[in-house]
Amino acid sequence: GESVGLHLPTLSVQEGDNSIINCAYSNSASDYFIWYKQESGKGPQFIIDIRSNMDKRQGQRVTVLLNKTVKHLSLQIAATQPGDSAVYFCAERNSGNTPLVFGKGTRLSVIA
Amino acid sequence: EAQVTQNPRYLITVTGKKLTVTCSQNMNHEYMSWYRQDPGLGLRQIYYSMNVEVTDKGDVPEGYKVSRKEKRNFPLILESPSPNQTSLYFCACSFSSGSINEQFFGPGTRLTVL
Repeated sequence: GESVGLHLPTLSVQEGDNSIINCAYSNSASDYFIWYKQESGKGPQFIIDIRSNMDKRQGQRVTVLLNKTVKHLSLQIAATQPGDSAVYFCAERNSGNTPLVFGKGTRLSVIA
Repeated sequence: EAQVTQNPRYLITVTGKKLTVTCSQNMNHEYMSWYRQDPGLGLRQIYYSMNVEVTDKGDVPEGYKVSRKEKRNFPLILESPSPNQTSLYFCACSFSSGSINEQFFGPGTRLTVL
């Protein structure tokens, strides 16, 4: 597959455990925070987003937490499965038509 | 099947030889965008288009051109490629400029410029 980052932070998790992927952002004016998943050889895939006026949002097996005080975003994956192995990117943007600004990514490896 | 297609998927070329990477989507989405992905730098936006005949520069537009003559197509043009444009390129689309958070990405084009 395509190499998207040779020296990414890596998180290794046992299958069935919960995963927590962290992201620090820099722009306190960002209005939206988004998580994308990129599997080897594929394009990024949208997972979930959260607006700055929220501190938690849940999806299917995923939860995003936002702490604006310390500019920290996290993605929690419940009962991690081998199919969750991928690189995860956080992104942020202001309101309006402003573009997404992506972070550098974290590689999640699930140990069967 | 809803999808974003890119061609070619892999390309090796030489400095200065004009090339075009095509992008097509079948979802009738208004917003389209091009990104490049480099190790250690993540995804950076090159150009975007909010609708037909409307294009704007992203964060790294130098050395690239785009056009949006039809809603479904958004080709990326490198008039005179240079080695620093060696990268992995992704096209993406979203329903409208109001749904930029959720973009659908193509499979990527690996470009090497010698």
